[in-house]
Amino acid sequence: LAKTTQPISMDSYEGQEVNITCSHNNIATNDYITWYQQFPSQGPRFIIQGYKTKVTNEVASLFIPADRKSSTLSLPRVSLSDTAVYYCLVGDRRDTGRRALTFGSGTRLQVQP
Amino acid sequence: EAGVAQSPRYKIIEKRQSVAFWCNPISGHATLYWYQQILGQGPKLLIQFQNNGVVDDSQLPKDRFSAERLKGVDSTLKIQPAKLEDSAVYLCASSPRPFRLAGSYEQYFGPGTRLTVT
Repeated sequence: LAKTTQPISMDSYEGQEVNITCSHNNIATNDYITWYQQFPSQGPRFIIQGYKTKVTNEVASLFIPADRKSSTLSLPRVSLSDTAVYYCLVGDRRDTGRRALTFGSGTRLQVQP
Repeated sequence: EAGVAQSPRYKIIEKRQSVAFWCNPISGHATLYWYQQILGQGPKLLIQFQNNGVVDDSQLPKDRFSAERLKGVDSTLKIQPAKLEDSAVYLCASSPRPFRLAGSYEQYFGPGTRLTVT
């Protein structure tokens, strides 16, 4: 089963832009790429979802290259409250042809003042 | 709109005992997921329901885990007997989109149940 890969941790300062990349070499053809944010003792929270090129909402942007084997979550001007773990979620293509929902290992973002 | 509800929030049991978790999804959400999240890891899908039918249970340890979603609304996840390695947070999520629609995974998660097996 193919894995999704993310950096384990990242550090930033308030007001900076943060880019977190997820590698998903075996993404299923029709599947979207979805990103979640998780705070301690809470369930993950949906941030953004995209299929190709660029998607932007009020909290983040998502960049997806043409081959869709990776994606980059961009958080503009982070604040202390953005300190959390960020996960990407894709449907991996199995040898059977079925898809398997696979969360990445998560990137722990620490924002400092 | 009420979110996904789960109970209990915490549970401590001894190995070989049984335990059950309950989930009430967001009203109208047809798709329901159960995940296991071990400390420091991403959530791992255990089972996925579409209404009251199972879509994917390939990663569910069926010798000890079972789940049901009667009437396509609430769901219960049971472990019997529990092992030490089952200590984790069990997350329930629901989605407004049917699974077969174009691989969209916008899910809404509950707070989880933290299980400790001693």
